[in-house]
Amino acid sequence: QVQLQESGPGLVKPSETLSLTCTVPGDSISRYYWSWIRQPPGRGLEWIGYIFHSGNIDYNPSLKSRLTISIDTSKNQVSLRLTSVTAADTAIYYCARKAITMVHYFDYWGQGTLVTVSS
Amino acid sequence: DIQMTQSPSSLSASVGDRVTITCRASQSISSYLSWYQQKPGTAPKVLIYAASSLQSGVPSRFSGSGSATDFTLTISSLQPEDFATYYCQQSYSSPWTFGQGTKVEVK
Repeated sequence: QVQLQESGPGLVKPSETLSLTCTVPGDSISRYYWSWIRQPPGRGLEWIGYIFHSGNIDYNPSLKSRLTISIDTSKNQVSLRLTSVTAADTAIYYCARKAITMVHYFDYWGQGTLVTVSS
Repeated sequence: DIQMTQSPSSLSASVGDRVTITCRASQSISSYLSWYQQKPGTAPKVLIYAASSLQSGVPSRFSGSGSATDFTLTISSLQPEDFATYYCQQSYSSPWTFGQGTKVEVK
């Protein structure tokens, strides 16, 4: 079983920066694409972006101007940084692994971490 | 962005029922379609990928079909553990997008 673990502050003030880390299995970080996905409470799923260790990155255009996803293979971590947050960024944030197939789907997910944007 | 529309948004069913959920894409996505199941308080779990391929470990009562713009997830005989919310997701073009979800409730 592949275990992914998100971590980071559960509360962020409006206009500040949301920063999360996902720890992934060390033997796989350089072999897979890693994504962030979020889900506002009681609502649907939104893909945020993905990264590959080579530097291949893709962001959802709706967040691109505020978003940075990075990878640190030495620490087995994938990170998300979202600036200038508002209440609309309140959500459960998941990291997920993209399966090695032509079709991009997520075969393993972290348990998710709730981030609330509030003063 | 490609819009994914699921129907119905919710349905009520009984154990043993055959359940069908539909997902429609706003443009052709070939077979770049996956289905997920999500139970309250847990992360989504993939059931079907490439429109009709069953993910390893998923019971065979789940099946997927369709191509281009119209897709279906079928549960052949609903089990107690299948009451959950189901999402479709396209990966034909970025940004990858999900349907709004279909909640399967107890009748």
